[in-house]
Amino acid sequence: QVQLVESGGGLVKPGGSLRLSCAASGFTFSDYYMTWIRQAPGKGLEWVSYISSSGSSIYYADSVRGRFTISRDNAKNSLYLQMNSLRADDTAVYYCARGEQRILRWFDPWGQGTLVTVSS
Amino acid sequence: EIVMTQSPATLSVSPGERVTLSCRASQSVTSSLAWYQQKPGQAPRLLIYGASTRATGIPARFSGSGSGTEFTLTVSSLQSEDFAVYYCQQYNYYYTFGQGTKLEIK
Repeated sequence: QVQLVESGGGLVKPGGSLRLSCAASGFTFSDYYMTWIRQAPGKGLEWVSYISSSGSSIYYADSVRGRFTISRDNAKNSLYLQMNSLRADDTAVYYCARGEQRILRWFDPWGQGTLVTVSS
Repeated sequence: EIVMTQSPATLSVSPGERVTLSCRASQSVTSSLAWYQQKPGQAPRLLIYGASTRATGIPARFSGSGSGTEFTLTVSSLQSEDFAVYYCQQYNYYYTFGQGTKLEIK
């Protein structure tokens, strides 16, 4: 079955960096768009970034552009999110999710999420 | 940015009741709308895409309708496992979510 497992979350100081990973299984990872979505504690959902199946198309939400970098390694069936210059308002559970084969519209399925806490 | 507004924020209902959740877009998103269900401590789960198409494995008691700026999610007969938070999401121009509607047991 399709499975997405995030890792790499933790506690980091403001201004620090963190790299999240998402391990995919149960489908041909290299065929699909992938995305990151986050959810601040007790809050709603915010789309963060997406990457096309080949990695040639990438886009970021305004709130993270210039600080976060999405990437993928299709040989390792893995998605990444490099987060730099972290701020308190980046504190959230970060989910990876799968899109479709040639486009990203809805998100299905989602991983279980990894918590990132930015605090001094 | 397209702003998605869900109403009400919280809905108290009894099992077996029919319930309708609303989602409004700040500009037309055509039929580019999805609904998700999120239970405490879990990731969201896709329910509906294309405004009205149920995702794989979603029970027929869930239905979606609407287009343009007004959308609804209806649960025809609430089961105990349906009490959760529901989010709408537009994908007509990038991606934005509503703030969610919490279905709680009355």
